[in-house]
Amino acid sequence: ETGVTQSPTHLIKTRGQQVTLRCSSQSGHNTVSWYQQALGQGPQFIFQYYREEENGRGNFPPRFSGLQFPNYSSELNVNALELDDSALYLCASRRQGSTDTQYFGPGTRLTVL
Amino acid sequence: DAKTTQPPSMDCAEGRAANLPCNHSTISGNEYVYWYRQIHSQGPQYIIHGLKNNETNEMASLIITEDRKSSTLILPHATLRDTAVYYCIVRLLFYNQGGKLIFGQGTELSVKP
Repeated sequence: ETGVTQSPTHLIKTRGQQVTLRCSSQSGHNTVSWYQQALGQGPQFIFQYYREEENGRGNFPPRFSGLQFPNYSSELNVNALELDDSALYLCASRRQGSTDTQYFGPGTRLTVL
Repeated sequence: DAKTTQPPSMDCAEGRAANLPCNHSTISGNEYVYWYRQIHSQGPQYIIHGLKNNETNEMASLIITEDRKSSTLILPHATLRDTAVYYCIVRLLFYNQGGKLIFGQGTELSVKP
């Protein structure tokens, strides 16, 4: 299965700004997770959304927030950007169910200057 | 959280089998073993998963030891396109909605001609 898309592909922001990243889930998938991947590291779980509500969060501050829409598209918002927020941001979608596989999008590369 | 341990890097000759080991000695009975791979700067690609039985699909085979404390991913005939970072992940369950994926450092597999 494929079909998770993300936009934009690349983004450059300056410290203190706010950014919104977008994800379109694969058809039929109603659960979306967001991950941050710093250079040379594995992806780190930010949070998960199901039925438009956050139902799991990793060790990230409240300035990382999200939205999930009725059509299962979603957004990741980051306020007050810091230099360390520079990373590849990945979303992954799946059908609701404890064993359903997550499928990842291509990611958005965010650079904070 | 169950952790995984993988060698940081491995080499494999093109056309030969690539055997990637993973240790997950703290895995609990209801946690699955998942394998993903990530080709440079792309989103992780799902490969295979299993609970306690050996699994095979069109991409790979997964061998899980009887005590479930370790597993091996086998790519039967590695090609240059299999060069990637391979992540072994133990799937956590929470809120009965399926779980976040905890990525480690992974194994960087280099397939050489």
